[in-house]
Amino acid sequence: QVQLQESGPGLVKPSGTLSLTCAVSGGSISSSNWWSWVRQPPGKGLEWIGEIYHSGSTNYNPSLKSRVTISVDKSKNQFSLKLSSVTAADTAVYYCARDDDYRNAFDIWGQGTMVTVSS
Amino acid sequence: SSELTQDPAVSVALGQTVRITCQGDSLRSYYASWYQQKPGQAPVLVIYGKNNRPSGIPDRFSGSSSGNTASLTITGAQAEDEADYYCNSRDSSGNHHVVFGGGTKLTVL
Repeated sequence: QVQLQESGPGLVKPSGTLSLTCAVSGGSISSSNWWSWVRQPPGKGLEWIGEIYHSGSTNYNPSLKSRVTISVDKSKNQFSLKLSSVTAADTAVYYCARDDDYRNAFDIWGQGTMVTVSS
Repeated sequence: SSELTQDPAVSVALGQTVRITCQGDSLRSYYASWYQQKPGQAPVLVIYGKNNRPSGIPDRFSGSSSGNTASLTITGAQAEDEADYYCNSRDSSGNHHVVFGGGTKLTVL
């Protein structure tokens, strides 16, 4: 079955850029699904960051839109997140997830990766 | 509106029935999906659509919706159901954005 795995640095300096990748295995990123990033600050709730379709179409959370770029690499079957000008408020567990086209829900999640913003 | 509102905490006695609610304007246009999250784990989808359970989710979990309110009901709550529960849906403004509720901490007594 489809599995997702996040990877990237666990520590980012303030004002820097957070970069994460989500590898898709067991299925194709070119299937009819949107692929999302969701984050969760320590002790807080889930926040949708944005999504991408294999065509490259994207949608972003308005509160983060000015700092977020999500891209797709179909040759590597993966998608990526870049969040610029990070502050301590961006410290969170970052998840990638599949928004299943049939269920219209996040049916598959990665295990999550903790990113800390600190000097 | 792009917000979904959940009660922060709910408790239920072991074996009893509990309802967790989610309110928001977007729920007049879209069904809510529900996720269970246990400490240190990724969220797991438990209900989607009108009232559908993914494979492996016990049938004590069910969903319903009326107006701007979606509900997740656990009939005969078990100790292992103690977790945080989140609802989500598409934003009704038509821009294809996703919104999450703030989450409900369920305690099984």
